[in-house]
Amino acid sequence: DIQMTQSPSTLSASVGDSVTITCRASQSVSSWLAWYQQKPGKAPKLLIYKASNLENGVPSRFSGSGSGTEFTLTITSLQPDDFATYYCQQYNAYSNTFGQGTKVEMK
Amino acid sequence: QVPLQESGPGLVKPSQTLSLTCTVSGGSFSNGSYYWSWIRQFPGKGLEWIGHIYYSGRSYYKPSLTNRLTISVDTSKSQFFLKLNSVTAADTAIYYCARRSAYGHTDFWGQGTLVTVSS
Repeated sequence: DIQMTQSPSTLSASVGDSVTITCRASQSVSSWLAWYQQKPGKAPKLLIYKASNLENGVPSRFSGSGSGTEFTLTITSLQPDDFATYYCQQYNAYSNTFGQGTKVEMK
Repeated sequence: QVPLQESGPGLVKPSQTLSLTCTVSGGSFSNGSYYWSWIRQFPGKGLEWIGHIYYSGRSYYKPSLTNRLTISVDTSKSQFFLKLNSVTAADTAIYYCARRSAYGHTDFWGQGTLVTVSS
């Protein structure tokens, strides 16, 4: 299995801050990487696919970058609705693997 | 939106079989662009892909679950199914069914159903 490692595990920030979450793959996944947001009691919600493509309806303050083994999710001007847990996911034809999650909490 | 709804028992005894059904609304089930996935989330948050299946029945499983897992489809009912044999407490999780897009990412999720393995 391809292992996905996110950092940090927890991130404390304030409304208006810009935050960056990193996801590293144990081997190259090309650009086959997605980012999800999850709130308590809810299913994950797709934010970014193919490393940098914004899903329809997702605010433009979310952006993704990277390829190969290192990826980032950036949220500029953090909003109250953005406090949540974020997961990366690699996907290829045969499998998927998720990172362990990054909780963005209010400072 | 693509509504997906999981159904099945919320409590399963150890060593027995966990069986879940996902019903897909909206007419995209037999669309050749998608696979249909099962994903679970353990208490304390980790997400684990279980497997996915095409409407034709072609499927891919997480290697460590292959010997206990069957995923199947019924296109006439727009449903797909999960059967996990010989369950233990370690299989306690929220089970999600979801749609895998043509690119491979998961674009729509069901609401999830909690399955507890306990005697």
